[in-house]
Amino acid sequence: EDKVVQSPLSLVVHEGDTVTLNCSYEVTNFRSLLWYKQEKKAPTFLFMLTSSGIEKKSGRLSSILDKKELSSILNITATQTGDSAIYLCAVWREASDGLTFGKGTHLIIQP
Amino acid sequence: KAGVTQTPRYLIKTRGQQVTLSCSPISGHRSVSWYQQTPGQGLQFLFEYFSETQRNKGNFPGRFSGRQFSNSRSEMNVSTLELGDSALYLCASSVTVNTEAFFGQGTRLTVV
Repeated sequence: EDKVVQSPLSLVVHEGDTVTLNCSYEVTNFRSLLWYKQEKKAPTFLFMLTSSGIEKKSGRLSSILDKKELSSILNITATQTGDSAIYLCAVWREASDGLTFGKGTHLIIQP
Repeated sequence: KAGVTQTPRYLIKTRGQQVTLSCSPISGHRSVSWYQQTPGQGLQFLFEYFSETQRNKGNFPGRFSGRQFSNSRSEMNVSTLELGDSALYLCASSVTVNTEAFFGQGTRLTVV
């Protein structure tokens, strides 16, 4: 059965710290991995990583895909209270059967 | 550029009733997929549409159905509502299948 596992499930850090969130996947016919930030309702798109784009960066956020280890990390540097959210990892397979999501990492940034 | 629009935002229904949720994708996006989010199960895939065709369906009973119109807008319908159908229903749109997917604000359905 396809699965996406995120760790840790929750994380509390202080403002200014750097955090690393993990996502591992076991899926057939992997195509791409996506990261989302969910604060209240809509998951907000962060990155999509594929074989041709295994590293992405936007401001303080960056992500790397390790196809050999079947995993990805999301790094957030110089964290701010506004980074507090649930971070979701999801995988597209070649077959069009929707995104398979992990359970998410609940990140809390304390002032 | 307008984002993904879902209506209504909130809905309260009684067991046994049916409900229709609507999703308008980002202009130019032809793929729409639906997800159910609950605290226990997380985000689960319901179905995906591309060019008015259902490409795949998740592991949900036949009470859950949907369709896509020629303008790419999509609707999902749940018949004979059960208490367990209470959830946040999210719609995502993408240019085509397996590309960057952008979510709407969701419809919070409560079944009483």
